[in-house]
Order: sequence, then C-alpha cells, then structure tokens
Amino acid sequence: QVQLVQSGAEVKKPGASVRVSCKASGYTFTDYYIHWVRQAPGQGLEWMGWMSSNNGGSGYAQKFQGRVTMTRDTSISTAYMDLSRLKSDDTAVYYCARERGHTTSFRYFDYWGPGTLITVSS
Amino acid sequence: DIQMTQSPSTLSASVGDRVTITCRASQNINGWLAWYQHKPGKAPNLLIYMASSLESGVPSRFSGSGSGAEFTLTISSLQPDDFATYYCQQYNSYPRTFGQGTKVEIK
Repeated sequence: QVQLVQSGAEVKKPGASVRVSCKASGYTFTDYYIHWVRQAPGQGLEWMGWMSSNNGGSGYAQKFQGRVTMTRDTSISTAYMDLSRLKSDDTAVYYCARERGHTTSFRYFDYWGPGTLITVSS
Repeated sequence: DIQMTQSPSTLSASVGDRVTITCRASQNINGWLAWYQHKPGKAPNLLIYMASSLESGVPSRFSGSGSGAEFTLTISSLQPDDFATYYCQQYNSYPRTFGQGTKVEIK
C-alpha cells in the first residue's frame, strides 16, 4: 500500500534552516510528483510547491521563492523540503502529498504524509 | 492566482443532517476541483476529484457537483466520523490554491 512517512518534529531558531523528509513506499517513486503543503496553527492549507521525483524539476509558490528548495534521492525514494531563513510565522505542520498523475485530470493529491510539526521560536 | 472561497466557514449540524458546502473559484477552473477532509493531527483525506468523482473507499454519502467556477460538496446524512474541516482545492493551474476551509461542528 502507498505510504508517505515524514521526519519528526523539530524546533528551530529564527534565521535557521530546516529539512523535512518524506519517504515513499508502495509505488514507483519516480512515476509521481510530490507536493508540499503546510498548515499554520489555526489556519488553512497552504500550497508551497511541487517536485518531479523523476527528473527533479520543481516549482514554488511565489511566497516561498528564494527560501524553499525541493529535492529528492531516488535511491531511497525520499523527497526533501528545505526551508531557510525561518521566521516565527513558519511555525506549521508541513505535509508532503503525492500527485496522482501528470495530466490535468489527475493532478490532485491522492496520498498525504502524516505531517511534520516545525516550530520556530527563540 | 486563482482564489478559492468556501462558505460557510463553520457549520453546526446534527447526525443525520444533510450538509452542503459551497466553493467558488475566482475564474473558470474547468472542473479541476478536489475536496479533502481534514481532522486534527491527521493527514488530509481525498474525498472527491474532478468535481464529482468519488475517490475509491470514500462513503457514498459524500458527493460533489458543479462546473465552471461554482462547486458544492454534499454529505447526504452526516455521521459522527464526518465532523472535520473540509477544503476545496483547484488543480487547473499553478499555484495550486485551497479554499479557507469549512469546519463541520456538532450542533
């Protein structure tokens, strides 16, 4: 069965960087895109960007341009989201999600990771 | 960017009630709309894709409808497990955008 397992919660200081990992199993990792979505406390879901697990191509929401990098290691079927220059309002649960397919018909998120809480506090 | 607006933001209902949530896009999204259920501490769960297609394993009391820029999610008979927050999301274009969420609470 498809599973996305994320790394554990972290506490970071303002200005620091964080890496969240998302290990996929139960399917061919390189056949699907991975997206990252976050939810700040008391807020809704916010899309951050996408990454092609095949060729590493990526695209980011303008809000995160210059601060976020999405990469992958195909040898261990793992996607990564790096966020730099952290601020207190980056405190959120970060989710990875699999996009079902490459044509528009299937570009919704069919499987999600359990989320990783990143707390930014001095 | 395509803005997604859900209404209501909060909905109080009882078990057995019929519940309808509306999602409006700021432009035509060609039916490329998904609905997710989200419970605290859990991953969001896909309910509906392509505006009206029920994801495998999702109870048939959930249904979606709409086209163009206006969509609805209906729960025909609310069950205890359905108290959660529901989000619509467009996948017509980047950036992907979500509605602000509708929290379904126990009345």
